[in-house]
Amino acid sequence: AQSVTQLDSQVPVFEEAPVELRCNYSSSVSVYLFWYVQYPNQGLQLLLKYLSGSTLVKGINGFEAEFNKSQTSFHLRKPSVHISDTAEYFCAVSPLSGNTPLVFGKGTRLSVIA
Amino acid sequence: ETGVTQTPRHLVMGMTNKKSLKCEQHLGHNAMYWYKQSAKKPLELMFVYNFKEQTENNSVPSRFSPECPNSSHLFLHLHTLQPEDSALYLCASLPGGGEGTEAFFGQGTRLTVV
Repeated sequence: AQSVTQLDSQVPVFEEAPVELRCNYSSSVSVYLFWYVQYPNQGLQLLLKYLSGSTLVKGINGFEAEFNKSQTSFHLRKPSVHISDTAEYFCAVSPLSGNTPLVFGKGTRLSVIA
Repeated sequence: ETGVTQTPRHLVMGMTNKKSLKCEQHLGHNAMYWYKQSAKKPLELMFVYNFKEQTENNSVPSRFSPECPNSSHLFLHLHTLQPEDSALYLCASLPGGGEGTEAFFGQGTRLTVV
C-alpha cells in the first residue's frame, strides 16, 4: 500500500517570494508521482508529474518538483509566487504496476500575501 | 476545462431525500472514479469503475449507490444521507488501465445535507 504525507497543512508566503511545499511518500513498490492544484470551488488540476527520467520535473505556472528516491520525497517549488497561486496543493502517488487509483496527501493550503 | 463535467455544481438535500450526482466525460477514458473531499481530511476514494465494471468499493455506506451505464457516464445515487455526508464530491476519469497517467477531475458537486 502507498501513503503520502504533506507535512505542512498551511503555508503563508509573501508575493514574489520563493516557496517549497513538501511531500513525502511511502511505498513498497516504485511509484509515479503527481502534484495537483485546487482553486476555490474547483476540481483538481494537474500541475506536473514524474514518471521516469530526469528527477527535476517542470510543470505549469512556473512550478517544478524534484524526485528524490533515497528520501522518498517529491517537493514542489516555485521561485517567485503570485497572488493567483493561492490554492490548495495535493501530492499524489500511483504504483507502477497494477490498476490502483491515485493516493493523495491531505493537501497544503498556500496563501500568498500581497 | 478538463473534459469532465459534473452536475449539479451545488446540491442541498434533506436526510429523507433521494438525489443523484452525474459525471460525464467525452475523453475516451475507460476508468471513472468517485472521490469525497471533506474539510481537513484527505481525498477519500469511494468507487472505481474500469470498463463499466466496479472494481473497487472502499467500504462506502450503502446510502451511496454508484451506477456506470457506459464508459462516458457515472452516477452517484444518494438516499437517506446524514449531515456528515456533506462534502465536495469529485469525479475523475483516466485512460484505460490508469497506470502512470493522471486523473482528470470534474469541478465537483458541493453537497449539503440538512
